[in-house]
This record gives sequence, structure tokens and C-alpha cells, in this order.
Amino acid sequence: DQQVKQNSPSLSVQEGRISILNCDYTNSMFDYFLWYKKYPAEGPTFLISISSIKDKNEDGRFTVFLNKSAKHLSLHIVPSQPGDSAVYFCAARGASSYKLIFGSGTRLLVRP
Amino acid sequence: DTGVSQDPRHKITKRGQNVTFRCDPISEHNRLYWYRQTLGQGPEFLTYFQNEAQLEKSRLLSDRFSAERPKGSFSTLEIQRTEQGDSAMYLCASSTGLAGVTDTQYFGPGTRLTVL
Repeated sequence: DQQVKQNSPSLSVQEGRISILNCDYTNSMFDYFLWYKKYPAEGPTFLISISSIKDKNEDGRFTVFLNKSAKHLSLHIVPSQPGDSAVYFCAARGASSYKLIFGSGTRLLVRP
Repeated sequence: DTGVSQDPRHKITKRGQNVTFRCDPISEHNRLYWYRQTLGQGPEFLTYFQNEAQLEKSRLLSDRFSAERPKGSFSTLEIQRTEQGDSAMYLCASSTGLAGVTDTQYFGPGTRLTVL
């Protein structure tokens, strides 16, 4: 039973445009959400996070939105750059555990 | 470089052999985590330590797997009698353990295990 789902395995956008990566979750007890970026042969790199008491968090070109009623979060990258091309994972953590539960990832390709 | 480090980066072994991986967390991080990632999937939680205490283990961590963090600093993950299904990327992460709800995990580069 996948508690965190990334339904789009891949996304292609033009350089300079907005990239929107989506993530859905099923467990209403999740209280902290994170996005990681992963290049081949490297470990995941932390990008941005949001706690369940907020609905938006922004850091430079990256913004994460959380819609608790829909159990949905999204990562917006504006403007997209070729160096953003990587696999993006969303992850969630429950209030009673420190383990992260990851989605299966979305491969982003930013075309020059 | 003061990030999480893992050794070795790659390991090829024959089925039935034992392997051991090492993880050095970010200095003064109290929590240390192990995850496993297979192709096309996100990382899956295996276990985590608060200082030297192993506080949670996934059911994925069969009897052939054991993890230690003897002095609350580096950690080792051992797999005994490896099977081909153990082939994966083994990731280590650490966090301060001081940030409450917003405690963020930082990952190392991983150890890629191939069991022939």
C-alpha cells in the first residue's frame, strides 16, 4: 500500500518555464513533507520542506504547496534550468515516527 | 566536506557472502538512518538510531541484516548470506534530532551493492 504517490514518472519542460511536480498521500497523520533531488549515482539532496501547519514554503526558485484537505503537495520550480534535470522525490513523515516514506519519483528534464 | 559519507561506494559480491557497509554521519548529528533503494523506486526505510540506540526497525530488515552504531557516531550495516534480491543502493542519512517536527534528514552518496 503506497502511502506516498508520485503519479507522473516523467516531466519535460522548456528552460525558463515553470516545472510543477505533484505528490499525493493517503495518511492524514503525516506532519512533515520534504522534496529531494537525486542525480544518477548520488544520494538524494534535500531541497525544501513544509510542515503540516503551513500551506506554502518558498526558497528561491523553489516553492512547495500543501493542500491538506486534498492530501496533495506540489513543488514549483520557476524558472526551470537545465541543471534542474534530475529525479525528484517527495517524502512524508508521520507524527509518531522519524522514518521517511518516499514516493517513487518523477524524472524532470529541462530542455535548453 | 562535512556531509554524510559512506564506504564503499560500490560492492560486488557473490551470493552467500557477507558484506558490511559503513556510514559516517554529519558531525554532531544524533540520529542516523538506513534506507534501501531499488531501481525505479524511492528509498525505503530500514532502521534508525538515536545516538547508539536502535529505536526502529522495518520489517524489511530480515534476520540476515544487522545494524550497529556502537559509540553513537559511525554506523555499520551488515548483510549475511547475501541473496540476489539484496542488490540495491543502500543509503545512509543523518539528522540533528534537535529540530522537533522539522528535523531534516541529509543523505550520503550511497553504497551500490550487486550480488552475483
